[in-house]
Amino acid sequence: EDQVTQSPEALRLQEGESSSLNCSYTVSGLRGLFWYRQDPGKGPEFLFTLYSAGEEKEKERLKATLTKKESFLHITAPKPEDSATYLCAVQAVLIQGAQKLVFGQGTRLTINP
Amino acid sequence: NAGVTQTPKFQVLKTGQSMTLQCAQDMNHEYMSWYRQDPGMGLRLIHYSVGAGITDQGEVPNGYNVSRSTTEDFPLRLLSAAPSQTSVYFCASTMGYEQYFGPGTRLTVT
Repeated sequence: EDQVTQSPEALRLQEGESSSLNCSYTVSGLRGLFWYRQDPGKGPEFLFTLYSAGEEKEKERLKATLTKKESFLHITAPKPEDSATYLCAVQAVLIQGAQKLVFGQGTRLTINP
Repeated sequence: NAGVTQTPKFQVLKTGQSMTLQCAQDMNHEYMSWYRQDPGMGLRLIHYSVGAGITDQGEVPNGYNVSRSTTEDFPLRLLSAAPSQTSVYFCASTMGYEQYFGPGTRLTVT
């Protein structure tokens, strides 16, 4: 069964204090790993897609990396506006061309000024 | 370009009532899907559609119906609401590997 586990559940950092969020996955035939940002009361917002082990992607203060069993979302010198819940999802084998994502529970990140 | 829109934003139902959650997208995406989000459970796929006239079940389809008569619209119907369907519902449309989510509908069933 495809499964995604994110840790920690919640993380509080001071502004400028770098850290990493973890996403461990078990999936038969990974076709992609996705990171989303979700602000309170809003829908998830797409950040990154990673396809193969060793791949890295960056956007402003965020960098996502991928290994065969997990992905990390590194946050460098975060600012209060980076506070949000970060969701990880994996896509397994396509069925009839359909993208079926399995989501983790998310990490709630709070950056204190 | 409004992206993905959902109505209503909030809804309270009594057990046994029916209702339709509306979802529309103006990006001409073929693939659309419905998720529910519950505390500690993550987002779970309810139903999806790969194009007009084609729908299929996701992970948690029981108690929900969908139809896709046009590319733009993908409504989700609750046939007889139950308290277990209290949740936040998100509609999404997909282009390639990028999903665009709507703002969500917060549903409470009493």
